[in-house]
Amino acid sequence: GNSVTQMEGPVTLSEEAFLTINCTYTATGYPSLFWYVQYPGEGLQLLLKATKADDKGSNKGFEATYRKETTSFHLEKGSVQVSDSAVYFCALSDNAGNMLTFGGGTRLMVKP
Amino acid sequence: DVKVTQSSRYLVKRTGEKVFLECVQDMDHENMFWYRQDPGLGLRLIYFSYDVKMKEKGDIPEGYSVSREKKERFSLILESASTNQTSMYLCASSTPNGAPLHFGNGTRLTVT
Repeated sequence: GNSVTQMEGPVTLSEEAFLTINCTYTATGYPSLFWYVQYPGEGLQLLLKATKADDKGSNKGFEATYRKETTSFHLEKGSVQVSDSAVYFCALSDNAGNMLTFGGGTRLMVKP
Repeated sequence: DVKVTQSSRYLVKRTGEKVFLECVQDMDHENMFWYRQDPGLGLRLIYFSYDVKMKEKGDIPEGYSVSREKKERFSLILESASTNQTSMYLCASSTPNGAPLHFGNGTRLTVT
């Protein structure tokens, strides 16, 4: 079956540091890949997505590239802010695009 | 903007009680989902529904049931609550075929 593995947190960074959160997946077929973010006290919201190999998703300064050869979708940001402190979830869809499988989540803490 | 509303933010119930968690979405989405979120385990799918009166088991359906009598409403039912069902419950909805999930803010359920 499908599975998603994320690096365990928490990840603690100083403001303006470079961020990488690793995500690797196992899937049959050609899933779409997603990053969701959960701010304190809220539900998850879509951060970015990529639907095919070599696609790059980007939003709010975050980027991730769909790497089929390494089955990875690592999240990066060049300069984090305190307001980026949240839990980040990597996810993949089934082939029909209806169901998501989530990773365990990575908590990011950014200090001023 | 899509809105997914969960009826309670916090709920405390006793072991053995029957518990109803309600979710309503206002964007005429076909798909609706119930997940539970536990630290280190990410989100795990309990049940989902692709249409009114349809339901499918997710990865962890034991101890739960669902009801979808109207397109906009998807209810999660704990027939006899147990302490291991203490968790954060997240409802989500989407259109079919790869559309992103839209999440509610969650219900934190404590079973004592």
